[in-house]
Amino acid sequence: NAGVTQTPKFQVLKTGQSMTLQCAQDMNHEYMSWYRQDPGMGLRLIHYSVGAGITDQGEVPNGYNVSRSTTEDFPLRLLSAAPSQTSVYFCASSRVGTPSYLVAGGNTEAFFGQGTRLTVV
Amino acid sequence: AQSVTQPDIHITVSEGASLELRCNYSYGATPYLFWYVQSPGQGLQLLLKYFSGDTLVQGIKGFEAEFKRSQSSFNLRKPSVHWSDAAEYFCAVAVPNTGNQFYFGTGTSLTVIP
Repeated sequence: NAGVTQTPKFQVLKTGQSMTLQCAQDMNHEYMSWYRQDPGMGLRLIHYSVGAGITDQGEVPNGYNVSRSTTEDFPLRLLSAAPSQTSVYFCASSRVGTPSYLVAGGNTEAFFGQGTRLTVV
Repeated sequence: AQSVTQPDIHITVSEGASLELRCNYSYGATPYLFWYVQSPGQGLQLLLKYFSGDTLVQGIKGFEAEFKRSQSSFNLRKPSVHWSDAAEYFCAVAVPNTGNQFYFGTGTSLTVIP
């Protein structure tokens, strides 16, 4: 299994440019999410999705758009990049587990991609 | 609001010494609890997790964590640290019945000195 695949690994953008960070998972997970990681801030949730066609905002959604047309893919779009969006971005996926499912031994931990290091100049 | 607190931003230990990384959470019921490790330039790898049952859980790489409901804590421990354990460690909480939304602490950076 490839798990969670993020592309690209590195990207440099000029202020005002747009781009899409790609995320794909092959585990048939319902839940997918995007985080940004900044020094001293931990991982902050940008957007998440509990299934195809359903997305919602996380803690820091401004400046980012997402869509979920398929279970496998969850792209993150920067419409007009700003220097404040310089960060490392992680995509994650997991099962949407009910308590009874978990007690029976189901796994619901989050699986992470390798990250995309984005610099906006 | 749910929150995860890792009070130690940075910890330095000698190789072979014991280690304890602290994690406290704020949530009305018992959430699902996780510890992840991130090596430089890498993604996050799951070390261990707690859902229910035995409050002492064993993970990979010789790590263990103990859930203490009365203290809302889930501290990570290792009896003897190896140089390869130097990394960033994140405690995380997943909230049941919310679609499995994860909340992360700000991380603890571990340095291991020979």
